[in-house]
Amino acid sequence: DTAVSQTPKYLVTQMGNDKSIKCEQNLGHDTMYWYKQDSKKFLKIMFSYNNKELIINETVPNRFSPKSPDKAHLNLHINSLELGDSAVYFCASSQIPGNTIYFGEGSWLTVV
Amino acid sequence: SQELEQSPQSLIVQEGKNLTINCTSSKTLYGLYWYKQKYGEGLIFLMMLQKGGEEKSHEKITAKLDEKKQQSSLHITASQPSHAGIYLCGAAQGGSEKLVFGKGTKLTVNP
Repeated sequence: DTAVSQTPKYLVTQMGNDKSIKCEQNLGHDTMYWYKQDSKKFLKIMFSYNNKELIINETVPNRFSPKSPDKAHLNLHINSLELGDSAVYFCASSQIPGNTIYFGEGSWLTVV
Repeated sequence: SQELEQSPQSLIVQEGKNLTINCTSSKTLYGLYWYKQKYGEGLIFLMMLQKGGEEKSHEKITAKLDEKKQQSSLHITASQPSHAGIYLCGAAQGGSEKLVFGKGTKLTVNP
């Protein structure tokens, strides 16, 4: 039973397309996150939701829109994909903000 | 903003050797996390340190946080190929829920 699961794991798409990455956690956590890992393996937070409310919104193009239908899900929708969006996107969750964060396996996005 | 420097950037060792990875912060660390990432897999939580001088061990991996809470080390004893991967240190930024990460240390263990 995967604690934090993301789909799809691999995604190759053309520039200009719109795509979504889904995330679900079965840990009963209140807080969920999206992190982006770039080609240099640098990991940066993008968004965080606590009880379905947005609490962290880093400087991210507004083509990226997170959606949290409930506490167990945090999806990431990306409009008008660009080459620079190619990266690994990690979903994560924690019991509450500030607690240990548990990561999903990552979604490898390649924009061509 | 807080920055984390990891060293070395990459490390190649023979199986059975001991090794140490360091993580240095520009500011006091309020919570220091160590994660391991294997290619094609997610980030696996290893340990979290909060108190100055704290040391935790899990199997052959030991992590320490110095007294001043600005540097942490991860030590692997008698390394094995299964230890190979990228080790990332992360820290709570200003005590908030945002984690900032170092750029990682790529570890290769040759049989």
